Amino acid sequence: NAGVTQTPKFQVLKTGQSMTLQCAQDMNHNSMYWYRQDPGMGLRLIYYSASEGTTDKGEVPNGYNVSRLNKREFSLRLESAAPSQTSVYFCASSEAFRQGGFSNQPQHFGDGTRLSIL
Amino acid sequence: AQSVTQLDSQVPVFEEAPVELRCNYSSSVSVYLFWYVQYPNQGLQLLLKYLSGSTLVKGINGFEAEFNKSQTSFHLRKPSVHISDTAEYFCAVSAPGAGNKLTFGGGTRVLVKP
Repeated sequence: NAGVTQTPKFQVLKTGQSMTLQCAQDMNHNSMYWYRQDPGMGLRLIYYSASEGTTDKGEVPNGYNVSRLNKREFSLRLESAAPSQTSVYFCASSEAFRQGGFSNQPQHFGDGTRLSIL
Repeated sequence: AQSVTQLDSQVPVFEEAPVELRCNYSSSVSVYLFWYVQYPNQGLQLLLKYLSGSTLVKGINGFEAEFNKSQTSFHLRKPSVHISDTAEYFCAVSAPGAGNKLTFGGGTRVLVKP
């Protein structure tokens, strides 16, 4: 079972370069998420997509853009990379949250993309 | 808004000894609580979750957690750890109005020594 697949696994960029991180899930989940993980700070939500066709900002969206290409795929783009964006990026997916409430559905994570910006 | 505090950033423990990882959250409303584990160079995996009902929740790999509403805590325990439990552990909360968004604690790194 593939689950959530992220590409690439590692990337080194120079300041000012752009790149797109890819994420695909095969669990037919409606909701998808992008997080960044920094030491001692846990995971912080960058953007999320509650369902196909919708995207919303999370806690730390500045410097990033996202595209929900279809139900399976959710990409994260860095338009002009900065050293502060050096981090490990995780994509996750889950069943859709219940309308009007909040969800008890766990999120399923990919193995991450380790991004270094020089 | 809710927040999650994991009180220990690192916990060294000897093999076959018990371990407790502390998690406190702040929220004025009822929440759902989760513990995730991250093994080296991997993504997060769900260990267990508290939704409602019994305050003692059992998860995978012999872990359990106890929900304490009055103390707003959700501590994770294992009575006897193995080398393979070396990992980082994250507590997370889901709250009304947040959809399925999770708020994570800063993580606790467990190092099991032989």
